[in-house]
Amino acid sequence: EIVMTQSPATLSVSSGERATLSCRASQSVSDSLAWYQQKPGQAPRLLIYGASARVTGIPARFSGSGSGTEFTLTISSLQSEDFAVYYCQHYYNWPPWTFGQGTKVEVK
Amino acid sequence: EVQLVESGGGLIQPGGPLRLSCAASGFTFSSYAMNWVRQAPGKGLEWVSGIDSSGGDTYYTDSVKGRFTISRDNSKNTVYLQMDSLRADDTAVYYCASAPRARADPPFDYWGQGTLVTVSS
Repeated sequence: EIVMTQSPATLSVSSGERATLSCRASQSVSDSLAWYQQKPGQAPRLLIYGASARVTGIPARFSGSGSGTEFTLTISSLQSEDFAVYYCQHYYNWPPWTFGQGTKVEVK
Repeated sequence: EVQLVESGGGLIQPGGPLRLSCAASGFTFSSYAMNWVRQAPGKGLEWVSGIDSSGGDTYYTDSVKGRFTISRDNSKNTVYLQMDSLRADDTAVYYCASAPRARADPPFDYWGQGTLVTVSS
């Protein structure tokens, strides 16, 4: 099973600032990596797939990068609606398609 | 508009069975793989099970193998999760999620709002 590790667990950021979230895989997952956003009481929403491809309708301030074992989700200028928990998920080869434990982006 | 609506959750005693359903609309269901993802209270996301678009291939995380069964009825646009021998650590919100391809692999583009399963005596 591939273990996904996200850091930090909590990120305190002010509106308008840049947020950088990390996700590390225990073995290479190539670019088979997705990012999801989840707000309290809501279902997750897909933001990024293929490590860097943004889903249609997702604002350009969200960007993904990385390959192999190291990945980054960057929110260039945080808006109030971006405070949420973010999860990475690999989909390399066979299941289980594990998620990271999540990074909570909170207001500083 | 794509909609995924889960049902069937509730309070169940340890060892009991429960069947979850997820009714889909707004897309060609028979062309999409489907998955179940759960979230224990206050915890992160855990992928549980997936089924390809035809229903021919199914996948499970180790902790539910032999206890859970995923299935689908393409004539009813519905995916099911039969859960047997339930344990306290199965307590979670269960989401169904769609994958726009024949194979069950992520990413999951649409999600339902979830149904809560509580396993307790």
